[in-house]
Amino acid sequence: DAKTTQPNSMESNEEEPVHLPCNHSTISGTDYIHWYRQLPSQGPEYVIHGLTSNVNNRMASLAIAEDRKSSTLILHRATLRDAAVYYCILPYNTDKLIFGTGTRLQVFP
Amino acid sequence: DVKVTQSSRYLVKRTGEKVFLECVQDMDHENMFWYRQDPGLGLRLIYFSYDVKMKEKGDIPEGYSVSREKKERFSLILESASTNQTSMYLCASRIGLSPLHFGNGTRLTVT
Repeated sequence: DAKTTQPNSMESNEEEPVHLPCNHSTISGTDYIHWYRQLPSQGPEYVIHGLTSNVNNRMASLAIAEDRKSSTLILHRATLRDAAVYYCILPYNTDKLIFGTGTRLQVFP
Repeated sequence: DVKVTQSSRYLVKRTGEKVFLECVQDMDHENMFWYRQDPGLGLRLIYFSYDVKMKEKGDIPEGYSVSREKKERFSLILESASTNQTSMYLCASRIGLSPLHFGNGTRLTVT
């Protein structure tokens, strides 16, 4: 099964872009890469997912390396409300999703 | 929007008590999950269910059981609560491989 590696924590200032990395060197060809985030005192929420090409939605962008062994979640302009724990998850085609400990993002005014 | 509701936000129970954590979803999702979350350990899957009366063990089922009598409701049961079951419990649901929808969690303290 694929496994992900994320930094424990990252910091950003408000209105700056944030790049949250995830390594998944053992990813298989059919694995989608999913990102969730968990705001304080809430359950995790879905952010974005992708397979091979870069993806954008209203919350974030997902940049996937050409070899698919890593991906980066991009918050274009961090706000205080983006302070959360961000999880990169795969494999996803299973009921036993592994969330790991994620990256805790701190955003400073 | 999908709503996953956990019956209690905070719960305090004594060692040895039988504890029920309830979860209800309103979107007819087939799959429902129970996780526990502890500092430094991330979310760990306790049990999941892919249909009424069906259940599968997750990674840490010991000390827990579940019940799914109706599609919208998935209950986690601690037969005899112990202090090492003090944790945040999160319920989630989804259909197929669509995104998981989580409740806001129940923080259980066992004294």
